[in-house]
Amino acid sequence: GAVVSQHPSRVICKSGTSVKIECRSLDFQATTMFWYRQFPKQSLMLMATSNEGSKATYEQGVEKDKFLINHASLTLSTLTVTSAHPEDSSFYICSAIREQGGSVANYGYTFGSGTRLTVV
Amino acid sequence: KNQVEQSPQSLIILEGKNCTLQCNYTVSPFSNLRWYKQDTGRGPVSLTIMTFSENTKSNGRYTATLDADTKQSSLHITASQLSDSASYICVVRASGAGSYQLTFGKGTKLSVIP
Repeated sequence: GAVVSQHPSRVICKSGTSVKIECRSLDFQATTMFWYRQFPKQSLMLMATSNEGSKATYEQGVEKDKFLINHASLTLSTLTVTSAHPEDSSFYICSAIREQGGSVANYGYTFGSGTRLTVV
Repeated sequence: KNQVEQSPQSLIILEGKNCTLQCNYTVSPFSNLRWYKQDTGRGPVSLTIMTFSENTKSNGRYTATLDADTKQSSLHITASQLSDSASYICVVRASGAGSYQLTFGKGTKLSVIP
């Protein structure tokens, strides 16, 4: 159980266009999902926290208007990179929380397989 | 500031050998510590999760230890296989109501060679 599907796995787009990345929890409901960005040889950097039915919470330095997040259902969150530029090229990863055993401490974080975005 | 430091940054070992990866953290208050395996170009996959009261946890050939007093953890891999080649990431979660955020280490890149 606890599978998170992320699509697409790889995308190349032209500078100035928009790209949408989907993150789905396949066998559980996720009220909270997270979006990360990872540069080569670096750790995952949290971009935003996505809450079902409400606005996302963005980390400092992350442009809300550039990285649009929609969490319209308990199983789907989307990240849209608007007017993409080459510096947006990165590895984007989502994760979803699954409560386990009723313990807050043991919330399971399941990650998607990631999306490699290349802006040319 | 919450931080997670991992060492070594990279490691090369021969197939069949054992290795130990280290993780030091300053996350406070502490809730739990997780080790993930991340293959190149893939998302992290959970190996172990340990809370304050747990000193060791195993998952097959992977054994994680936790010393909450010294704020150190280790991941021991036994009888390494070529498929163990990946980055291993130590992740610490702080406690607190509604505290879902994680602090990630930069990972240790392990290469297992024949």
